[in-house]
Amino acid sequence: EPEVTQTPSHQVTQMGQEVILRCVPISNHLYFYWYRQILGQKVEFLVSFYNNEISEKSEIFDDQFSVERPDGSNFTLKIRSTKLEDSAMYFCASSVDSGNNEQFFGPGTRLTVL
Amino acid sequence: RKEVEQDPGPFNVPEGATVAFNCTYSNSASQSFFWYRQDCRKEPKLLMSVYSSGNEDGRFTAQLNRASQYISLLIRDSKLSDSATYLCVVSLYSGNTPLVFGKGTRLSVIA
Repeated sequence: EPEVTQTPSHQVTQMGQEVILRCVPISNHLYFYWYRQILGQKVEFLVSFYNNEISEKSEIFDDQFSVERPDGSNFTLKIRSTKLEDSAMYFCASSVDSGNNEQFFGPGTRLTVL
Repeated sequence: RKEVEQDPGPFNVPEGATVAFNCTYSNSASQSFFWYRQDCRKEPKLLMSVYSSGNEDGRFTAQLNRASQYISLLIRDSKLSDSATYLCVVSLYSGNTPLVFGKGTRLSVIA
């Protein structure tokens, strides 16, 4: 069964450093998303992406964040200058079409900012 | 007002029991509704979409009441493997829109 994959599974970084989280969405999916989940809290939407541009973003997705689809398979989330409060699980998700909005999630990257 | 509210639990039930979870959502314009399950430190996994007419998938039954802005999930004949956090999720439109998650209801099925 096709699935969303994410790398790395765990990233440890120093405050102020840049990180890039990588995702490979399911191959025939057209819509891509990033969510995050701070430990003990609910899953929160960051950004959605379609046709090589951002469709929607939340208040969390400020100028420190950017997304890119550099080739036909990868979808990346970059955090330019990490803060302690960026420590969270980051989930990539994808969906096949706009009909029912069923989104399928990758296993996540645990980001720890020291 | 929280967008999606759930009883956090935990619900501790014996194997074979029937358990029901409820959820309310604040935005009456919401169009799509789901239940996801999340195991500890894992990703949310889609359990089922919830349709206005109600729907069933094996031991799982989901109901939607748009008038009351209320969604439910019923699990019959609970298994140990059902132990997880169940997330109530809504979205404003049918397609390509952010999912809004509840904080989840924790279920422990005990032998």
